[in-house]
Amino acid sequence: GQQVKQSSPSLTVQEGGILILNCDYENDMFDYFAWYKKYPDNSPTLLISVRSNVDKREDGRFTVFLNKSGKHFSLHITASQPEDTAVYLCAAGEGTGYQNFYFGKGTSLTVIP
Amino acid sequence: EAGVTQSPRYAVLQEGQAVSFWCDPISGHDTLYWYQQPRDQGPQLLVYFRDEAVIDNSQLPSDRFSAVRPKGTNSTLKIQSAKQGDTATYLCASSSTGGLTLYFGAGTRLSVL
Repeated sequence: GQQVKQSSPSLTVQEGGILILNCDYENDMFDYFAWYKKYPDNSPTLLISVRSNVDKREDGRFTVFLNKSGKHFSLHITASQPEDTAVYLCAAGEGTGYQNFYFGKGTSLTVIP
Repeated sequence: EAGVTQSPRYAVLQEGQAVSFWCDPISGHDTLYWYQQPRDQGPQLLVYFRDEAVIDNSQLPSDRFSAVRPKGTNSTLKIQSAKQGDTATYLCASSSTGGLTLYFGAGTRLSVL
C-alpha cells in the first residue's frame, strides 16, 4: 500500500490567503518529514523538513506541523503569493539508518493574483 | 558545485525495446535513489544504494528492471523489455551521509508507445 498519502490533489487560494496542505503516513518508524516543491518541468526541491523530536518548524511563511500519534503532518503557508503556485509533495521516511523516503502523490496549488 | 546529472532527458520506445538511464550524483554523496514518477503522481521509490551496495530494491520489477552502481558513484537503471505502463519520468536523487535532503536530477521522461 501507499506509505504516504496526500488527501487533496489540488487547491486554489486567493493571493494573501492562508492554506494548509495535509499528509498522512503509515509507518511508525518514520522519523523524518518533509515538503518538496515542484514547478512544471522541474525536479522537486526541498522546501522545509522536520525531525520527529519536534512538533513544529517554521521558516518564514512556511510552517510544518507534526502529529506523530495521528501519523499526520501538514504544511501551512501564510500570505500566499502567485509564485507559490506549484505542486507540493510530502515525503516521509527513516532519517537514520535506512534513509529511505516515500512521497505522496502531490497537491497542485494555484494562487490567484 | 554541480548538481545531479541525468541522461538522456527524453526517450521514446516501442514496447519490448530496452533502454538505459544514467545518473551522476553530487560528488561525495554516498546515497543514490532511483524514483519512478508517473504523470500526475508523486515519485515512487524503485531502488536505492549506499555506495555500491543495494539497500532496498523491493519495489524494482526485477523481471525487467535492473540497477547498478559499481563504483559507488555513477549509476545505471535499465529496462530490458519496456511496457506502456513504464511511461513515466525517472528521477535520480542523491544525498550525503546523514544528510536528509534529496537532491534530484532533471529526470528522464520515458514514453513507451
